[in-house]
Amino acid sequence: DTAVSQTPKYLVTQMGNDKSIKCEQNLGHDTMYWYKQDSKKFLKIMFSYNNKELIINETVPNRFSPKSPDKAHLNLHINSLELGDSAVYFCASSQDSNNQPQHFGDGTRLSIL
Amino acid sequence: SQKIEQNSEALNIQEGKTATLTCNYTNYSPAYLQWYRQDPGRGPVFLLLIRENEKEKRKERLKVTFDTTLKQSLFHITASQPADSATYLCALEDTGGFKTIFGAGTRLFVKA
Repeated sequence: DTAVSQTPKYLVTQMGNDKSIKCEQNLGHDTMYWYKQDSKKFLKIMFSYNNKELIINETVPNRFSPKSPDKAHLNLHINSLELGDSAVYFCASSQDSNNQPQHFGDGTRLSIL
Repeated sequence: SQKIEQNSEALNIQEGKTATLTCNYTNYSPAYLQWYRQDPGRGPVFLLLIRENEKEKRKERLKVTFDTTLKQSLFHITASQPADSATYLCALEDTGGFKTIFGAGTRLFVKA
């Protein structure tokens, strides 16, 4: 059973489109995250939710909107996609928000044409 | 905010040798430090967590040290195998302790 699963694995789309990435964890964790990994391989936190409540919101354009319908799901919607949004997006979860080890999905590779 | 430095150059070693990777940080000493492994096309996988009051932690062939004076952690893989080839990421809490930040990682190649 996959612990943290995100879909789709690959997303190729044109500039200006709106797209969503879904994430689900079956570990019973309270906290979920979205990270962006750019071409230089830096993994940067974007958002974090604890029990459906937003607790971290980094300096991310408001074209990015996370949604957590329940604590097992954290989706990411992106409006008006730009070339600079091309990256790999990782979802992760942890037992709680107190700096616990994180479990990552295998990423969604987003390519903007 | 906290800054992490990992050697950006790949580390090439022979099978059976010990691989040693370095993680340096620049600001205040965090309460904990974590190491992850990332394979191409996959998400990072948690390996070890060491707390500030622990000098050393071991798990099978892995050993992590944490020197708060030097602001450095060393990650060792003993009796390395080609299957250990991957990118290894260091992670620690940012200033204020509200989030975890990751280094860019060091790529390890173990030759048979």
